[in-house]
Amino acid sequence: DADVTQTPRNRITKTGKRIMLECSQTKGHDRMYWYRQDPGLGLRLIYYSFDVKDINKGEISDGYSVSRQAQAKFSLSLESAIPNQTALYFCATGGANSYEQYFGPGTRLTVT
Amino acid sequence: DQQVKQNSPSLSVQEGRISILNCDYTNSMFDYFLWYKKYPAEGPTFLISISSIKDKNEDGRFTVFLNKSAKHLSLHIVPSQPGDSAVYFCAARSLSKNTDKLIFGTGTRLQVFP
Repeated sequence: DADVTQTPRNRITKTGKRIMLECSQTKGHDRMYWYRQDPGLGLRLIYYSFDVKDINKGEISDGYSVSRQAQAKFSLSLESAIPNQTALYFCATGGANSYEQYFGPGTRLTVT
Repeated sequence: DQQVKQNSPSLSVQEGRISILNCDYTNSMFDYFLWYKKYPAEGPTFLISISSIKDKNEDGRFTVFLNKSAKHLSLHIVPSQPGDSAVYFCAARSLSKNTDKLIFGTGTRLQVFP
């Protein structure tokens, strides 16, 4: 079984819709992250969480929100999706004091 | 403001030869540098890292070199194999106050041909 799972793997939605991407991990890590990947822009950090009560904005948090429901679960929401949020989204986990992160398989989101 | 840069979007190398992937950074406070490898339809996976206090780290066919004065690191793959064909991301750790996060480069797509 994968250590980091993401659902859904693919999603097509319309402009203005609310959408939630979910992430679960079985590695027992405290830290969780959400990134988006765009062609030519690499991986950019959206939000990160060091424990259940700790949420921090990353480089590109506008238009997104997150919820850390439990140590193992970290969800990303787009309250009102727009086409330039079309991207590949990755969740990752990391242990405390660890610089090595473990990524999920990604969610391909298309906003039409 | 791209703090970690990979100026070559793609690289093509013959099987058995050396692949050299380059990465430049601007922030002298980065304390760890990492390389991640990404296959299509999969998430990035950690490949190799180097602390800012070292100038070389080797793991099998993979070696990372760090030149702090030039703010440059490189990943050498010797010998290259077709299975090495993937996108490689350079990343640097930014550690300040209560923040501990990775900053990624834009990636280099490596193709190893027979």
